[in-house]
Amino acid sequence: GENVEQHPSTLSVQEGDSAVIKCTYSDSASNYFPWYKQELGKRPQLIIDIRSNVGEKKDQRIAVTLNKTAKHFSLHITETQPEDSAVYFCAANPDAGGTSYGKLTFGQGTILTVHP
Amino acid sequence: NAGVTQTPKFRVLKTGQSMTLLCAQDMNHEYMYWYRQDPGMGLRLIHYSVGEGTTAKGEVPDGYNVSRLKKQNFLLGLESAAPSQTSVYFCASSNNQPQHFGDGTRLSIL
Repeated sequence: GENVEQHPSTLSVQEGDSAVIKCTYSDSASNYFPWYKQELGKRPQLIIDIRSNVGEKKDQRIAVTLNKTAKHFSLHITETQPEDSAVYFCAANPDAGGTSYGKLTFGQGTILTVHP
Repeated sequence: NAGVTQTPKFRVLKTGQSMTLLCAQDMNHEYMYWYRQDPGMGLRLIHYSVGEGTTAKGEVPDGYNVSRLKKQNFLLGLESAAPSQTSVYFCASSNNQPQHFGDGTRLSIL
């Protein structure tokens, strides 16, 4: 089955700095990679996702890059703000349109703290 | 449009007791999922359903049962609760991707 490794487990930055979180996956058939943000005591919420036919995707201050050859993908947050402080999870789906039924394998999470 | 609703939000059980967690979605999604979230371990899939009347095992199914008698509801049961099942439980639903999550149920087993 799929295995997703996420690093670092904790990340501390100053407001205005950039933050990068990296994930690797094991199943070369994976072709859908979402990122979820979870604030303390809240539900995970999708912030950005990317499919394997795209190498990079941006949405304002966040971007995701994908390297299929190396089987890793990364989340980039620029101009960080205190409200970006949360736990971030990456995930992978082995077959976004086939028999995986939308199942996701999640990374272990990264606690991001943005200091004012 | 409530999305995914989980009940209850909190519960404390004694070892050996049973209970059922309810998940309801109003987005007409085909697929529903139950996860548990433990510190440092991310979200792990317990069971999932690909349609009304169907269920399947996920990564950590032992000690849990599920049922999906109606398309909008997905029930997670603990027949004999154990302290190792102390966790936060999340339900999610989708029509493949992306998954939409409920607010979670915090369950403590004493």
